This record gives sequence, structure tokens and C-alpha cells, in this order.
Amino acid sequence: DQQVKQNSPSLSVQEGRISILNCDYTNSMFDYFLWYKKYPAEGPTFLISISSIKDKNEDGRFTVFLNKSAKHLSLHIVPSQPGDSAVYFCAASVSGGSNYKLTFGKGTLLTVNP
Amino acid sequence: DAGVTQSPTHLIKTRGQHVTLRCSPISGHKSVSWYQQVLGQGPQFIFQYYEKEERGRGNFPDRFSARQFPNYSSELNVNALLLGDSALYLCASSLRGSGVYNSPLHFGNGTRLTVT
Repeated sequence: DQQVKQNSPSLSVQEGRISILNCDYTNSMFDYFLWYKKYPAEGPTFLISISSIKDKNEDGRFTVFLNKSAKHLSLHIVPSQPGDSAVYFCAASVSGGSNYKLTFGKGTLLTVNP
Repeated sequence: DAGVTQSPTHLIKTRGQHVTLRCSPISGHKSVSWYQQVLGQGPQFIFQYYEKEERGRGNFPDRFSARQFPNYSSELNVNALLLGDSALYLCASSLRGSGVYNSPLHFGNGTRLTVT
């Protein structure tokens, strides 16, 4: 039972345009959401996070939107750059619990074409 | 500042053997977690240790074990290796023992384990 789903295995966009990566979750206990970027032969790198008390969080070119009623979040990258080409993972957690466990989606491979 | 460091980077083992993977967290981080990533999947939670105590265990068999040392470094041990244990093993550290906003997990580059 996948509690975090990234239904698009891949996405291709042109440099300078917007990239939108989507993520759905089923566990209503999740209240802390994170996006990670992963290059080949490297570990996941933290990008941006959002708490369930917010519906939007921005950091430079990256914005994460959370729709709690739809159990859906998205990552927007504007403008997209070739260096953004990587696998993007959505992850979710129950904050303040007895442990720190992230549940990940399967990832979306983003390719930004020059 | 050094990030999360893992050793070795690559390892080839034979079925039935035992393996030990090592991890040093970011300085000041007291929580260490282990994740397994197989090809085409996202990382899956194996263990979390905080202040040298096990805080969480994922859905992995008893062949998997771990521990955290007084300096907060950690080892993951896997006994009786199976072909299906071939994966990238990721270690992550954090300041807090539980998920708290603005305290993300920071990952190392992983150990690529191949079981033949």
C-alpha cells in the first residue's frame, strides 16, 4: 500500500519554462512534507518542505503548494534550468511522533532541455 | 562542515555472507536513520536511532540490525545476504529525534551493495 504516490515517472520541459511535479498521499496523519532532489551516484538532497498549517512555501525558484483536502502537493520550479535535471522525490512524515520516519514516493525524473 | 559520510561506497558480496555498513552523521546531529533504495523505487525506512536508542524500525526482516555509538556514528548489519538485498543503502541524520518542521533529514551518498 503506497501512502505517497508520484504518478508521473518522468517529465520533460524546456529551459526557462515552469516545471510542475505532483505528489498525492493517502495517510491523513501526515503533516510534514518534503521534496528531495537526487542526482545519479549521490544521495537525496533536501530542497524544500511545508507544514500542514501552510498551503504554500517559497524558496527562490522553488515553491511547494499543499492542498490538504485533496491530499495533494506540488513542486513548482520557475524558471527551470538544465542543472535541475534529476529525480525528484516527494516525502511525508508525521511530525512530533516517537520517531522520524519519512515515507517516499517513487520519484519523478525531470529533464530540462536547453 | 562535512555532511553525512558513508563507507564503503561500493560493496560486492555473495549470498549468505554478512555485511556491515558505516555512517557518520553531520556534527551535532544525534539522530541517524537508515534507508534502502532499490532501482525504480523511493527510499524505504529501515531503522532510526536517536541518542543511541532505537526509535523506529521499518518492515525489514531480523537479518537487518543496527546500532548507534556514543559518538553518534552508526552501523547497519545485514546477515545471510539474499540477492534481493542488492540496493543503495542510505544513511541520514537530523538534529531532532522526530519529524519537526524545518528540521529535514540530510542524506549521505549511500553504499551501493551488490549481492551475487
